[in-house]
Amino acid sequence: NAGVTQTPKFQVLKTGQSMTLQCAQDMNHEYMSWYRQDPGMGLRLIHYSVGAGITDQGEVPNGYNVSRSTTEDFPLRLLSAAPSQTSVYFCASSYKGGTGPNEQFFGPGTRLTVL
Amino acid sequence: AQSVAQPEDQVNVAEGNPLTVKCTYSVSGNPYLFWYVQYPNRGLQFLLKYITGDNLVKGSYGFEAEFNKSQTSFHLKKPSALVSDSALYFCAVRDNGIDNDMRFGAGTRLTVKP
Repeated sequence: NAGVTQTPKFQVLKTGQSMTLQCAQDMNHEYMSWYRQDPGMGLRLIHYSVGAGITDQGEVPNGYNVSRSTTEDFPLRLLSAAPSQTSVYFCASSYKGGTGPNEQFFGPGTRLTVL
Repeated sequence: AQSVAQPEDQVNVAEGNPLTVKCTYSVSGNPYLFWYVQYPNRGLQFLLKYITGDNLVKGSYGFEAEFNKSQTSFHLKKPSALVSDSALYFCAVRDNGIDNDMRFGAGTRLTVKP
């Protein structure tokens, strides 16, 4: 299994440009999430999904869109990039079941710079 | 909303000494608590979790954590630190009423010196 994969690894955008960060998992996990990591702030949840066709907002959703058309894929769209969106982005997945929430599996991250 | 606090940005210990990385939490219901570790330029890796049951939870690489409900804490511990334990450690919490909405602390950088 490849686990959670993210593309691209690095990206530089100009203010106002749009782009999509790709995330895929091959573990048949129901749950998927997007986080951004900024120095001194830990990971903040952007959007999450509990299954195909179901998404919800996290802590910092503004400026980002998501969709979940398949179990495997959970792309994150930046509609009009701003310098405040310069960050490292992580996608994570976890399986549903058991007596409580299960651990998340993280991708390697995408380092995004907005000029 | 649920939240966690990691009061120390940095923890330094000597190799072979015990280590503790602190975490306190706030939730409206029963907490689900996690510890993750991040090595440079990598994604986070799961160490251990508390869902219910014994207050002392054992995890990967010799780490353990103690759940203390009265102090709302979930400190990460290891009896004997290794240089290879040097990394960034994150505590995370999920309220049992909110599906998949996980909140992370700001992280604690652990440095183990030989």
